[in-house]
Amino acid sequence: DTGVSQDPRHKITKRGQNVTFRCDPISEHNRLYWYRQTLGQGPEFLTYFQNEAQLEKSRLLSDRFSAERPKGSFSTLEIQRTEQGDSAMYLCASSLGAFGGSAGELFFGEGSRLTVL
Amino acid sequence: GENVEQHPSTLSVQEGDSAVIKCTYSDSASNYFPWYKQELGKGPQLIIDIRSNVGEKKDQRIAVTLNKTAKHFSLHITETQPEDSAVYFCAASVKGGSYIPTFGRGTSLIVHP
Repeated sequence: DTGVSQDPRHKITKRGQNVTFRCDPISEHNRLYWYRQTLGQGPEFLTYFQNEAQLEKSRLLSDRFSAERPKGSFSTLEIQRTEQGDSAMYLCASSLGAFGGSAGELFFGEGSRLTVL
Repeated sequence: GENVEQHPSTLSVQEGDSAVIKCTYSDSASNYFPWYKQELGKGPQLIIDIRSNVGEKKDQRIAVTLNKTAKHFSLHITETQPEDSAVYFCAASVKGGSYIPTFGRGTSLIVHP
């Protein structure tokens, strides 16, 4: 399977615990995005990487959130001291970038669902 | 920043009918408008897109129209089938540069057999 993969698919944690999600993008894609989706809402942008550089972060990304893409391949999203309001689906997407052959189409993974008790 | 409004939030049709989903956007600099389909338990998948230099685009039973003056764009699905049932999202972005799509809140389309 050469699509975007995310791990874990589901995570249940207690408030105050730290969680980390991993995303493996399509191998030749240089851009990687993190979005958050809550029930009945569209995906909300969190942050994105061009290769290993984190180029933009949303105001939604509080200081409890940190994302990395150390070698320009896989990425991790860590949430420290989780709160109940962090419960959501965390979606990762990758693309060839705005100038790529697919005209910037985002390819999404199936998401990591977080439940904070 | 960009703001995308999408209507309706729920759309119920009979198999074979047409379905129309409408979106508006706020940033006049936006020039790329993709539509994504999300099935239960899966991530969104691109189904069609349109650029601002084009007014309409068709792909089999799906068509998108864009009115850049009014900042409106719409998705049209003809001859709906039960497998079209899903949540559909419109999005808007500036192609080139940072290219960060802003999504609408989604339309849950239900096609009754």
